[in-house]
Amino acid sequence: QKEVEQDPGPLSVPEGAIVSLNCTYSNSAFQYFMWYRQYSRKGPELLMYTYSSGNKEDGRFTAQVDKSSKYISLFIRDSQPSDSATYLCAQETGGFKTIFGAGTRLFVKA
Amino acid sequence: DADVTQTPRNRITKTGKRIMLECSQTKGHDRMYWYRQDPGLGLRLIYYSFDVKDINKGEISDGYSVSRQAQAKFSLSLESAIPNQTALYFCATSVADNGELFFGEGSRLTVL
Repeated sequence: QKEVEQDPGPLSVPEGAIVSLNCTYSNSAFQYFMWYRQYSRKGPELLMYTYSSGNKEDGRFTAQVDKSSKYISLFIRDSQPSDSATYLCAQETGGFKTIFGAGTRLFVKA
Repeated sequence: DADVTQTPRNRITKTGKRIMLECSQTKGHDRMYWYRQDPGLGLRLIYYSFDVKDINKGEISDGYSVSRQAQAKFSLSLESAIPNQTALYFCATSVADNGELFFGEGSRLTVL
């Protein structure tokens, strides 16, 4: 079992939809989670990070961690074509080593 | 100019050839990383370095070697390339007190 599991998609939604992207993790010892966004032919860029349980909101984006189910989620409200990208969840595992999920490809259709 | 620069951006080579991918950064970060990205597998850590005298293996270091020539330069070598090393390779940096990774734009390597 991979330490961080993520459905690779692709996920296709119409513009304006609410998008839910999800990952599961296996190692409960580390509670620092991140979401990176990767546009085509570019390197990933940090989108959001959260620590332990709860929600963190930044504009149209909300990151959520559920420790009891070992589930991390990213919600995108009012999705836009410019949100079309690959979204990678990640868990920092101490010593600043980061484990990534496989990434979910998202397409937002105008 | 990009803060993390990788060269070459694209390379096609043959089995058995020696290949070097280079990374330089202007961010002033001590920590540098090499990742490999494959479809369905995500990013996997090859090697990392927390300063010039510190080199560590990641989860998939076999077949690869690295050199940290200076704080700003970290190169990845494939001594004898094989087709299953065909992938997108990313260099990244981070600061000591923040886990955020800053990635280059990637080097696409094809081994025939």
